[in-house]
Amino acid sequence: AQKITQTQPGMFVQEKEAVTLDCTYDTSDQSYGLFWYKQPSSGEMIFLIYQGSYDEQNATEGRYSLNFQKARKSANLVISASQLGDSAMYFCAMREPYSSASKIIFGSGTRLSIRP
Amino acid sequence: GAVVSQHPSRVICKSGTSVKIECRSLDFQATTMFWYRQFPKQSLMLMATSNEGSKATYEQGVEKDKFLINHASLTLSTLTVTSAHPEDSSFYICSASNAGTEDYEQYFGPGTRLTVT
Repeated sequence: AQKITQTQPGMFVQEKEAVTLDCTYDTSDQSYGLFWYKQPSSGEMIFLIYQGSYDEQNATEGRYSLNFQKARKSANLVISASQLGDSAMYFCAMREPYSSASKIIFGSGTRLSIRP
Repeated sequence: GAVVSQHPSRVICKSGTSVKIECRSLDFQATTMFWYRQFPKQSLMLMATSNEGSKATYEQGVEKDKFLINHASLTLSTLTVTSAHPEDSSFYICSASNAGTEDYEQYFGPGTRLTVT
């Protein structure tokens, strides 16, 4: 069964606009962590933001915020004021249960393209 | 943040030969390291979880005898692709977790692009 679902294979957004990348997940664990990574064409994985399942507030990191809806099992990434450098692949990922030794599973990704 | 390196960054080998990829945590100890494979325009697929001093745990469908993983120290894990074939050409990425901390993040290496001719 798909654990992490990203339903948007590709998105085009005008520069300076906000964009939301969708992510839903499936788990029976109470303790888990949700991540978003950016992968530019160079291939490196860039950590963007993290949300723990017990965190009551939505995580924010600069222009990135995570819209965490626990009951709906969704963890959408919001990028405010998009920039040309935001063009990349974006992956939602989950670690369950929460532990530094547990594996991270990735969604299929969304390719974001920013138009000037 | 913590740094993970991979060597080599690119490798081209002939079909039937073996190639070794190293993954090092440079400024922290990693009891657990993970190996992923990524085909073009696809997501990262976990191949195996590597624990220091013990046998790796392979994901379903990953051949243990083909992808040999060794995690001999707290800072080094190696992946050896044995008898490589063109279908093994892929981007291999390792990641490491900071042992004994509350650090939730996994730190990724820059990846190794393997081309088998």
